[in-house]
Amino acid sequence: ILNVEQSPQSLHVQEGDSTNFTCSFPSSNFYALHWYRWETAKSPEALFVMTLNGDEKKKGRISATLNTKEGYSYLYIKGSQPEDSATYLCASLHGSSNTGKLIFGQGTTLQVKP
Amino acid sequence: NAGVTQTPKFQVLKTGQSMTLQCAQDMNHNSMYWYRQDPGMGLRLIYYSASEGTTDKGEVPNGYNVSRLNKREFSLRLESAAPSQTSVYFCASRTVWGGADTQYFGPGTRLTVL
Repeated sequence: ILNVEQSPQSLHVQEGDSTNFTCSFPSSNFYALHWYRWETAKSPEALFVMTLNGDEKKKGRISATLNTKEGYSYLYIKGSQPEDSATYLCASLHGSSNTGKLIFGQGTTLQVKP
Repeated sequence: NAGVTQTPKFQVLKTGQSMTLQCAQDMNHNSMYWYRQDPGMGLRLIYYSASEGTTDKGEVPNGYNVSRLNKREFSLRLESAAPSQTSVYFCASRTVWGGADTQYFGPGTRLTVL
């Protein structure tokens, strides 16, 4: 059974702090790694998809890196703002892209205090 | 574009009752998915449909059935609801376009089985 782990489970930071979370996934038969942002009472929204070892993606103050050989991805938020408060999910895809069967981690819940 | 829609938003059932959760997408996506979300467990795949006319089991299919009625609609049926099926259910559809592989989620159905 493939397992995706995220840490920490939750994080409380002050506005302006930079923060990062970890996603660990099985490196065998790896195809892609997805990051989603999930605000309370809303649906998960896609942030990034990464496939190649060493990939880095950036969207505003949020960036992500990928290490497929050791099976981890980091998500960084620079200068956190209260509107960044959400649960951040990572999910890995193995084998091929045909089915799109993602294996989700349990998420990291970020709370940014003004 | 409404994106992915789900009905109902909330439902309370008694043990043994049956019901169907409806999902529709207007983005002409081939693949659709049903997930359940339980506290501390992230999103778990129940069933998916890689294309119209096909359905396959995910990680936790027991107690559920699905129907891909057409390209737009993918329904999830609980034949005999059990308290263990109390959860939030999310439907998603997937696009693979221009190298971007993204799942779009519906607003969720919160189901309580008494």
